[in-house]
Amino acid sequence: DVKVTQSSRYLVKRTGEKVFLECVQDMDHENMFWYRQDPGLGLRLIYFSYDVKMKEKGDIPEGYSVSREKKERFSLILESASTNQTSMYLCASSSSGQAADTQYFGPGTRLTVL
Amino acid sequence: LAKTTQPISMDSYEGQEVNITCSHNNIATNDYITWYQQFPSQGPRFIIQGYKTKVTNEVASLFIPADRKSSTLSLPRVSLSDTAVYYCLVVPRGEYGNKLVFGAGTILRVKS
Repeated sequence: DVKVTQSSRYLVKRTGEKVFLECVQDMDHENMFWYRQDPGLGLRLIYFSYDVKMKEKGDIPEGYSVSREKKERFSLILESASTNQTSMYLCASSSSGQAADTQYFGPGTRLTVL
Repeated sequence: LAKTTQPISMDSYEGQEVNITCSHNNIATNDYITWYQQFPSQGPRFIIQGYKTKVTNEVASLFIPADRKSSTLSLPRVSLSDTAVYYCLVVPRGEYGNKLVFGAGTILRVKS
């Protein structure tokens, strides 16, 4: 069965801290994605990666960076966390870069920035 | 990307069939209709995808009329565990990149 795991289900950080969110997939997928989900706004794409060391900005990349050193792992970095980054963060992967391909999501990390 | 419109919420009872309709008036020729399901505190999960007429799998059926300007997700005999948010997406086939756009979805509440 396909599996996407995220390092934490809940995380509380302080304003200004550097935050790392880790995502690992075991499906040998080429593509990985980071979304944030906020009430009333649906899911919004932050960054995606179509290959190791490759990344593309999504709709809301400001305040975030990503790292993909290995195929199975995609990290989201908040360089200096702010309260408006309090949100649910979802990682996903898919086998190809086609938009219509199924995306497999992790359970999410609920981040609170105080 | 074609915009989708779906009801904000729906209520149903266990054992009933639930139909959730999605409107996508500006759907393009190479667009597919895709539905995801999201349970509380989990990430979305793919349910079904179709292009025209009818698609059925072990979870749901998807009905798409000839003009493809709308689609209906049908969940047969729902149970309490089907309580979730259901998202309708229109996605272009054959294109690459960040084209998945999730709206607010439909909150389905199944009661006993």
